[in-house]
Amino acid sequence: DAGVTQSPTHLIKTRGQQVTLRCSPKSGHDTVSWYQQALGQGPQFIFQYYEEEERQRGNFPDRFSGHQFPNYSSELNVNALLLGDSALYLCASSPAGRTYEQYFGPGTRLTVT
Amino acid sequence: SQQGEEDPQALSIQEGENATMNCSYKTSINNLQWYRQNSGRGLVHLILIRSNEREKHSGRLRVTLDTSKKSSSLLITASRAADTASYFCATTGGGNKLTFGTGTQLKVEL
Repeated sequence: DAGVTQSPTHLIKTRGQQVTLRCSPKSGHDTVSWYQQALGQGPQFIFQYYEEEERQRGNFPDRFSGHQFPNYSSELNVNALLLGDSALYLCASSPAGRTYEQYFGPGTRLTVT
Repeated sequence: SQQGEEDPQALSIQEGENATMNCSYKTSINNLQWYRQNSGRGLVHLILIRSNEREKHSGRLRVTLDTSKKSSSLLITASRAADTASYFCATTGGGNKLTFGTGTQLKVEL
């Protein structure tokens, strides 16, 4: 049984560009959450998707947007990249009705130059 | 923003010793979880303790929760070099998100 997968593993972008990160949840999971982890910090919640809708959002600007597809996979889009967006982006999936139970993918390391 | 802090920020012990790390949080919770992270990669779930529980065991792990003090501790017994990692506590309140602490970096030396 495959766990949560994320792509790409690493990404280097320039300030002002846009980026799309992808996540495939664990089999049987219907909820996807995204987190940003800056170096030396704990992960911070960006948003959560369920039934193709954003269910909850953290304290992140509108430059951060997402999408969930009918197969429960998800994308995180960041527009107008800033140097401060450099971080590890983590995706987590949850089984139906147990959103507190989150299984994390390996993450995407984004570097903005 | 972070929910709280872990203490200590870094811990270095010898293999075979016990490691204890503490987590404090700020708001009421439904449950608290501990995660391990190796070398800045994905988080691995270790153990969950509910707000009405005081202690829980899983293998070499023991977690305690004191809701009156808004704190939790994670004890790893008989540590191994493979336990070297960062450890985070994460709380869940009324919403669906996990709120993480700042983490403890554990180094277990041979």
